[in-house]
Amino acid sequence: DVKVTQSSRYLVKRTGEKVFLECVQDMDHENMFWYRQDPGLGLRLIYFSYDVKMKEKGDIPEGYSVSREKKERFSLILESASTNQTSMYLCASSSPFLGTDTQYFGPGTRLTVL
Amino acid sequence: AQSVTQLDSHVSVSEGTPVLLRCNYSSSYSPSLFWYVQHPNKGLQLLLKYTSAATLVKGINGFEAEFKKSETSFHLTKPSAHMSDAAEYFCVVSERPGGGNKLTFGTGTQLKVEL
Repeated sequence: DVKVTQSSRYLVKRTGEKVFLECVQDMDHENMFWYRQDPGLGLRLIYFSYDVKMKEKGDIPEGYSVSREKKERFSLILESASTNQTSMYLCASSSPFLGTDTQYFGPGTRLTVL
Repeated sequence: AQSVTQLDSHVSVSEGTPVLLRCNYSSSYSPSLFWYVQHPNKGLQLLLKYTSAATLVKGINGFEAEFKKSETSFHLTKPSAHMSDAAEYFCVVSERPGGGNKLTFGTGTQLKVEL
């Protein structure tokens, strides 16, 4: 089974802090994604990566950056956290070589910015 | 551009009665379609997927969905609801099967199952 893990389930930070959210997948997937989930809005794509050191902006990249130094790890960075970044953050991975575009999700990190 | 509309934000059913969660999509290409479920404080789990094979797709836990191109719909059904089905359900569309897929999520339907 594919396993996607996220470094923290719950995180509380203060406005202006730099925040790192880590995601690791164990299935050698090429593609990795970061979403945020807010009530009534579903999931919205922040950034994604098709390969190591490669990244592309999703629908709501403002205020975020990402890093992918190793294939199994994809980090989301909030350079200066703000209260409007309080949300649930979900990481996902997929492989383009399986003939399907199913994404596998981690359990999520609930971030609160005070 | 692709989009997904989940027609009901909340659905309430009695245990043992049928479940219908409605989803309409818009896509410029032949889409792949998915239903994911999210139980409280858990990540998203794939229920089922349509990828241009059979139009009636069977998933886990007794759920199924039918792809209707003429109606641009992909409604999720289950003959008999169970208490454990209470969760949030997301309809998802992908326009690029294979490499570099980008998913578009609906806003979710909260399913409540009552005794």
